[in-house]
Amino acid sequence: EVQLVESGGGLIQPGGSLRLSCAASGFTVSSNFMTWVRQAPGKGLEWVSIVYSDGSTYYADSVKGRFTISRDNSKNTLYLQMNSLRAEDTAVYYCTSYGYIYADVFDIWGQGTMVTVSS
Amino acid sequence: DIQMTQSPSSLSASVGDSVTLTCRASQSIGTYLNWYQQKPGKAPKLLIYAASSLQSGVPSRFSGSGSGTDFTLTIGGLQPEDFATYYCQQSYTTPYTFGQGTKLEIK
Repeated sequence: EVQLVESGGGLIQPGGSLRLSCAASGFTVSSNFMTWVRQAPGKGLEWVSIVYSDGSTYYADSVKGRFTISRDNSKNTLYLQMNSLRAEDTAVYYCTSYGYIYADVFDIWGQGTMVTVSS
Repeated sequence: DIQMTQSPSSLSASVGDSVTLTCRASQSIGTYLNWYQQKPGKAPKLLIYAASSLQSGVPSRFSGSGSGTDFTLTIGGLQPEDFATYYCQQSYTTPYTFGQGTKLEIK
């Protein structure tokens, strides 16, 4: 069974850093497109970042220069390094595959991990 | 960035009703349009991809249509488990933007 499990969320002060992890099972992170999508409390969905199988990365303007997406092939794990955190980064962060089953779709989702940025 | 606008923002309906949700893109996106269903406290779930293709396992009462800038999601014969929030999303280009969602509530 294909599964994504996020971890690493928590309460962090503004300006701080946090690294989210997404452990994959049943498929290979490095061979697929992987993304992070977030959802602020009571709000809609916002795409954050994507890493393609060739290693190229893209970011939403709202996080560009502060967040870094990466993967560890040996651990089959996706990461999101979040620096200079702001209150508006408070959200549930979902790890997803992109195009694993169907082209151009966020098709497999993790359960999410909550990040709260507050003093 | 491509803006996705969903209407209505919320909708009340009864079990057995048929409803149509609308999604409009700020520029043409062909059929690079997907629909997701989200229930409270859960991750979104893919319903329809490429505007009209049903994800495996999704009931046939769900259907999608449209191309270019205007898209619809129709649910024919609402069931209790269909009351949720629905999001459209364009995969034409980054940033991959979502609509603001339509919350479907029980009347």
